Amino acid sequence: DIQMTQSPSSLSASVGDRVVITCRASQSINSYLNWYQEKPGRAPKLLIYLVSSLQSGVPSRFSGSGSGTDFTLTISSLRPEDFATYYCQQSYSAPFTFGQGTKLDI
Amino acid sequence: QVQLVQSGAELKKPGASVKVSCKGSGYIFDGYYIHWVRQAPGHGLEWMGWITPNIGGTSYAQQFQGRVTMTSDTSLNTVYMELSNLRSDDTAVYYCARWANAYAMDVWGQGTTVTVSS
Repeated sequence: DIQMTQSPSSLSASVGDRVVITCRASQSINSYLNWYQEKPGRAPKLLIYLVSSLQSGVPSRFSGSGSGTDFTLTISSLRPEDFATYYCQQSYSAPFTFGQGTKLDI
Repeated sequence: QVQLVQSGAELKKPGASVKVSCKGSGYIFDGYYIHWVRQAPGHGLEWMGWITPNIGGTSYAQQFQGRVTMTSDTSLNTVYMELSNLRSDDTAVYYCARWANAYAMDVWGQGTTVTVSS
């Protein structure tokens, strides 16, 4: 199975900050890397697919990059509604594993 | 609008089975895989498997092999996930999600809380 490791596990930031979350795969996953946002009591929401493609309706302050085994999610200027938990997921091969999550709080 | 609607919360005893449904609407149901993901309290997201609604093909994560069964009823635009021999550590929110052509889960159900307790 492909292991996905996110860092950091938690992060404190302020409104307006630029935030970077990293995700590393245990083997190459080409460009099959997605990012989800989860808020308490709500289903996860797809933010970015295939490394850098923004899902419809997602603000442009979210961006993704990377290739092979190393990937990043960047939020250019934090807004209050961005405080949530973020997960990466590989869609290269089953089982489609998730990272352990990065909790972003104030 | 495109949506997946899941069945309601369940309370089960250890050793019992639970069957969760997921009904799609607003899109061609047969055209997309449906995946199941769960989240135990205080834990991250765990992929369980997928089903192709039109032919009923399945793939399950190894840790659920032998305990999970995913089925579909295309006449109802509904898929089902049944988990048997429940244990306390199966207590979780179970989600269904549509697998988009872009290899990501673009539409999620609202989640079904399954509590396993004696």
